[in-house]
Amino acid sequence: DAGVIQSPRHEVTEMGQEVTLRCKPISGHNSLFWYRQTMMRGLELLIYFNNNVPIDDSGMPEDRFSAKMPNASFSTLKIQPSEPRDSAVYFCASSFGDRGNNEQFFGPGTRLTVL
Amino acid sequence: DAKTTQPNSMESNEEEPVHLPCNHSTISGTDYIHWYRQLPSQGPEYVIHGLTSNVNNRMASLAIAEDRKSSTLILHRATLRDAAVYYCILRYAGNMLTFGGGTRLMVKP
Repeated sequence: DAGVIQSPRHEVTEMGQEVTLRCKPISGHNSLFWYRQTMMRGLELLIYFNNNVPIDDSGMPEDRFSAKMPNASFSTLKIQPSEPRDSAVYFCASSFGDRGNNEQFFGPGTRLTVL
Repeated sequence: DAKTTQPNSMESNEEEPVHLPCNHSTISGTDYIHWYRQLPSQGPEYVIHGLTSNVNNRMASLAIAEDRKSSTLILHRATLRDAAVYYCILRYAGNMLTFGGGTRLMVKP
């Protein structure tokens, strides 16, 4: 398996532009997570899907952020409009099952820079 | 998730064992103890987890105190590739991981 795939790996955009980050989870996994990492705040969970349904989006910073999972093999995280403070590394992770003893597999991340 | 406390940083010499401590005094009976690590410029990766008994895998060992209020991740022979931030996380029967600050491990040749 190729692992969790994220695209693009790097994104540089200007303030006000729309940004779409993409994630392909590991085949067979039924849970998907979006995290954000900054120096100031560390790793934060943004949203969690189970069987393509958003379960917890309490970490989504504000209405400018939205996430979708139209099917089991694809998810997007959209920021519209983007702001400089959104600059961070965004990680997608997937796992199978919903018990506390399963393992999450992380993608390589997308480094977003908003100028 | 209940809170964990880890030292900000630790140093080790290459080829020597490393013991990374984690305190979790408010752990509940159903919390699993998970360890993840993050190598430079990479996403976090799973290392090991346990509930009550000590655990071993190819990467590390996890020693859990009898009262479960603390645990120790043991790398038996540190290599330069083990330099990373190590996160100790408690999870109950849910899916979410709550990352703290972790311990930055530096390995000296």
